[in-house]
Amino acid sequence: GAVVSQHPSRVICKSGTSVKIECRSLDFQATTMFWYRQFPKKSLMLMATSNEGSKATYEQGVEKDKFLINHASLTLSTLTVTSAHPEDSSFYICSVTYAGTSGSNEQFFGPGTRLTVL
Amino acid sequence: GNSVTQMEGPVTLSEEAFLTINCTYTATGYPSLFWYVQYPGEGLQLLLKATKADDKGSNKGFEATYRKETTSFHLEKGSVQVSDSAVYFCALSDKGGSYIPTFGRGTSLIVHP
Repeated sequence: GAVVSQHPSRVICKSGTSVKIECRSLDFQATTMFWYRQFPKKSLMLMATSNEGSKATYEQGVEKDKFLINHASLTLSTLTVTSAHPEDSSFYICSVTYAGTSGSNEQFFGPGTRLTVL
Repeated sequence: GNSVTQMEGPVTLSEEAFLTINCTYTATGYPSLFWYVQYPGEGLQLLLKATKADDKGSNKGFEATYRKETTSFHLEKGSVQVSDSAVYFCALSDKGGSYIPTFGRGTSLIVHP
């Protein structure tokens, strides 16, 4: 299967600053990556679909100017939380879809990034 | 649209007890079904999957059978361990949804020694 990494694993920042989170597909080229947000004791909320070489597709209710996504290469997508506020504190997870040999198009997830905004 | 319904948690069990976490789904097509596990502070890991009706997915003593007639994919384990304590997510994906998974809300499992 696919191996996905995220960096950093946790970050603490001051309110008003911007934070960049990287998602890397380590062993295969991903034209599409996904960004999720997970609130405490809640399920994953799909924020956006990151498309290599083109604009990201945002889910309804997600502010595209707040959460900037750049997918500059087939192995790297970045999520930048601009002018972060305490309510942006959350666990952010990226994933890639990998068909593999079974063709079931399973999702492989990164380990997540814990963002805390003070 | 697609949806996944999981039983509310937390589920609290003693070690070696039998586990069932219910999952039912709604989908317009023929989805693939998945169970993911999330250990504290970590991302999601695929636990098992089934791609067509009557398939049984199994891994680490967990199993789930794709039941098309009841639109269910219940997760079971015969004897849980403390190390199984985690949050379990049922999910589906299909071509109509561009293979982006639809997740259930997650069920927290707590296993006591």
